Amino acid sequence: DSGVTQTPKHLITATGQRVTLRCSPRSGDLSVYWYQQSLDQGLQFLIQYYNGEERAKGNILERFSAQQFPDLHSELNLSSLELGDSALYFCASSPGVAGVEETQYFGPGTRLLVL
Amino acid sequence: KNEVEQSPQNLTAQEGEFITINCSYSVGISALHWLQQHPGGGIVSLFMLSSGKKKHGRLIATINIQEKHSSLHITASHPRDSAVYICAVPLSYNTDKLIFGTGTRLQVFP
Repeated sequence: DSGVTQTPKHLITATGQRVTLRCSPRSGDLSVYWYQQSLDQGLQFLIQYYNGEERAKGNILERFSAQQFPDLHSELNLSSLELGDSALYFCASSPGVAGVEETQYFGPGTRLLVL
Repeated sequence: KNEVEQSPQNLTAQEGEFITINCSYSVGISALHWLQQHPGGGIVSLFMLSSGKKKHGRLIATINIQEKHSSLHITASHPRDSAVYICAVPLSYNTDKLIFGTGTRLQVFP
């Protein structure tokens, strides 16, 4: 158990809908990362937050947005869903002190299926 | 901009064999990560390396910064080592964005 929690574990929805994925980092970690893993593209970095502020942005679509709240939990919002958004979405957390030079702890993931 | 290549893509082994998985990248980095993804989908961070060698149980990770290459070794492999092993490096120097290799799928048979 990494100490990172993600809800829900599974999500089935229809095209055009909007969903929210939630992540609670390990106690004390200030950085939260979001990743997407699809069958054809592998793992991809979406976005990183540090202590409530956006720190780095990857290949995140405009239909997707995220935020980190004062209690450090984070939410990833996916809207106008398309079939191609079906994927595993992981969040990871780290202390945030040493950037990429520190271990990231991954949550169990949310499996999203868009029908 | 960095690119990551892993080899082999697939690997089968008999229990007890010594396993090597390779990762090459194109741009200088400050750290490299090795991850393990279980058949159920969960991801575990195995190592974060910035130089030399690290060992954890039967797993050993090495990195050669000059040659832009890292290897993950598994000694005395076991069926429970069956998983996908993924290396990840920063997109470029001085960024927190990681890019990932396509992974090596390892199956260890008893």
